[in-house]
Amino acid sequence: GQNIDQPTEMTATEGAIVQINCTYQTSGFNGLFWYQQHAGEAPTFLSYNVLDGLEEKGRFSSFLSRSKGYSYLLLKELQMKDSASYLCALPPSGYSTLTFGKGTMLLVSP
Amino acid sequence: DGGITQSPKYLFRKEGQNVTLSCEQNLNHDAMYWYRQDPGQGLRLIYYSQIVNDFQKGDIAEGYSVSREKKESFPLTVTSAQKNPTAFYLCASSIGGMNTEAFFGQGTRLTVV
Repeated sequence: GQNIDQPTEMTATEGAIVQINCTYQTSGFNGLFWYQQHAGEAPTFLSYNVLDGLEEKGRFSSFLSRSKGYSYLLLKELQMKDSASYLCALPPSGYSTLTFGKGTMLLVSP
Repeated sequence: DGGITQSPKYLFRKEGQNVTLSCEQNLNHDAMYWYRQDPGQGLRLIYYSQIVNDFQKGDIAEGYSVSREKKESFPLTVTSAQKNPTAFYLCASSIGGMNTEAFFGQGTRLTVV
């Protein structure tokens, strides 16, 4: 099976940098996704990591360490609109399906 | 435009009634999923289908039923057996391969009164 762990909530101020961590266990690693979900809306895709290291995409970057079962999402120059839930997810592996973590609710304050 | 469509966005039903939530995709994706999300909770898998005419129970399938008669469609029925049906329901689809980015519908907020 697959298991994902994320912090429940985080707070940060506008303009700051925040790092959202995700640890996982899986029997067969096929990459790791990050999704953003605003309240009452559907999740939207942010990033996909399959190799170790940091991948940068504008203000958002995602890091992966396969040996440690660890990933983080780095958000720079925070804006109020970044207040949302950030979901870590594992693609299907073996008999496991697409598996989501419970999400980290990020609140950005002025 | 390709995408995945859920309807309706808001749905109200009386307790004891069955209700069917629609999910249609024109992305030619093989895999489709239904998730339930409660306030402050993550996504919990109800049912999933990897191919037409086949589907599997997820973590919380009790009180729900699905069908997959067509590749494009994966409707979810919330039956009267579901003890706490009020929730936000999300349908998703993916290519079904290993690098399976999921595409989500807009969600249906079901309220049972």
